[in-house]
Amino acid sequence: DTEVTQTPKHLVMGMTNKKSLKCEQHMGHRAMYWYKQKAKKPPELMFVYSYEKLSINESVPSRFSPECPNSSLLNLHLHALQPEDSALYLCASSQNDYQETQYFGPGTRLLVL
Amino acid sequence: DAKTTQPPSMDCAEGRAANLPCNHSTISGNEYVYWYRQIHSQGPQYIIHGLKNNETNEMASLIITEDRKSSTLILPHATLRDTAVYYCIVRPQIYGQNFVFGPGTRLSVLP
Repeated sequence: DTEVTQTPKHLVMGMTNKKSLKCEQHMGHRAMYWYKQKAKKPPELMFVYSYEKLSINESVPSRFSPECPNSSLLNLHLHALQPEDSALYLCASSQNDYQETQYFGPGTRLLVL
Repeated sequence: DAKTTQPPSMDCAEGRAANLPCNHSTISGNEYVYWYRQIHSQGPQYIIHGLKNNETNEMASLIITEDRKSSTLILPHATLRDTAVYYCIVRPQIYGQNFVFGPGTRLSVLP
């Protein structure tokens, strides 16, 4: 089983809203990732959690706040987003962050109005 | 920056082999070659990876040149469902080094 699940599938939010994206895996993976993908562009890494600790933050604005409550769950809290933050948000996981294959979820398509 | 170059687009007839090239002329000895694909609006799907030797699995074959400066992903019998963007990524065997996706190749399988 190489399934990563993400909820919700779609999200529409206003610039003053607070919302959260959720990612879950039950493969025993200890590294989890958030990527952002704009239309017709490749995915870009946002955050990496390794053993539930934030190990990489790719200079992401503070209106994006990641959280890893346990080894199976990864959240991305959203607050005061801008329309240009509209994108597909992808979660991935891997056994660890040392040369391991990453498995991606289906993504959450976010529209900020 | 991505360390690979791929043609932006390719066509392939259904039922024929699709051969997708990737150039990684600056690859280091400890860097693996990974291939992923992304069908429209879905998450990237892992296909295959390799270091030096050619690899084959149920989805595809990966041919890496002896000097490791280029590789080819082969889908032996392409179907319409193989239409997708294919990404070739090189990644070192080091903690904290992550995938950097380039623009990829948009493969269109034609009936």
